[in-house]
Amino acid sequence: KQEVTQIPAALSVPEGENLVLNCSFTDSAIYNLQWFRQDPGKGLTSLLLIQSSQREQTSGRLNASLDKSSGRSTLYIAASQPGDSATYLCAVSAVGGATNKLIFGTGTLLAVQP
Amino acid sequence: DAGVIQSPRHEVTEMGQEVTLRCKPISGHNSLFWYRQTMMRGLELLIYFNNNVPIDDSGMPEDRFSAKMPNASFSTLKIQPSEPRDSAVYFCASSFGTSGGSGELFFGEGSRLTVL
Repeated sequence: KQEVTQIPAALSVPEGENLVLNCSFTDSAIYNLQWFRQDPGKGLTSLLLIQSSQREQTSGRLNASLDKSSGRSTLYIAASQPGDSATYLCAVSAVGGATNKLIFGTGTLLAVQP
Repeated sequence: DAGVIQSPRHEVTEMGQEVTLRCKPISGHNSLFWYRQTMMRGLELLIYFNNNVPIDDSGMPEDRFSAKMPNASFSTLKIQPSEPRDSAVYFCASSFGTSGGSGELFFGEGSRLTVL
């Protein structure tokens, strides 16, 4: 059974700092991995999607990497801003069977202090 | 596109009452998902549809929960009878998936359910 873990559960950093959020999964047979952002009382917003054949994806100040063999992904946020404060979740999509089924981690709550 | 649209945004009801949550996916998407989010259990997949057909409902808690997708632009999640432990935020999401797997997932704003 696929399990997704995110560390740390919460993180507080001063504005301008670069930071890394971690995601690990137990079954390396994944189709893709997605990073999402969730603001309080809101739905999830997709940030980056990495296919299993890719090693990283970049969007603006965000960079996500994927190491399937070790079951790890990282989300790198450069020059953090107070507006980046939110909960960040990663999710993996299985290969075979229910490939549309995303398994979510429990998220990392990020607070960027001005 | 307006994105995934859910209604109602908030619902407060009494134990035993029937609750119906509604979802309109993004036009052109062929996969629709219902998730439930609580502080204790995080995000849980309840059921998902592909081309309007239920594919995996193993996450539906019990027979009190049912979901339908009568056409490509509408889905409902029904709880009957509702119980206080059903209180949660229910999210609908959609994507365009191929036979090889899922595409990028887009979420609605959620329906916050409180059962008294």
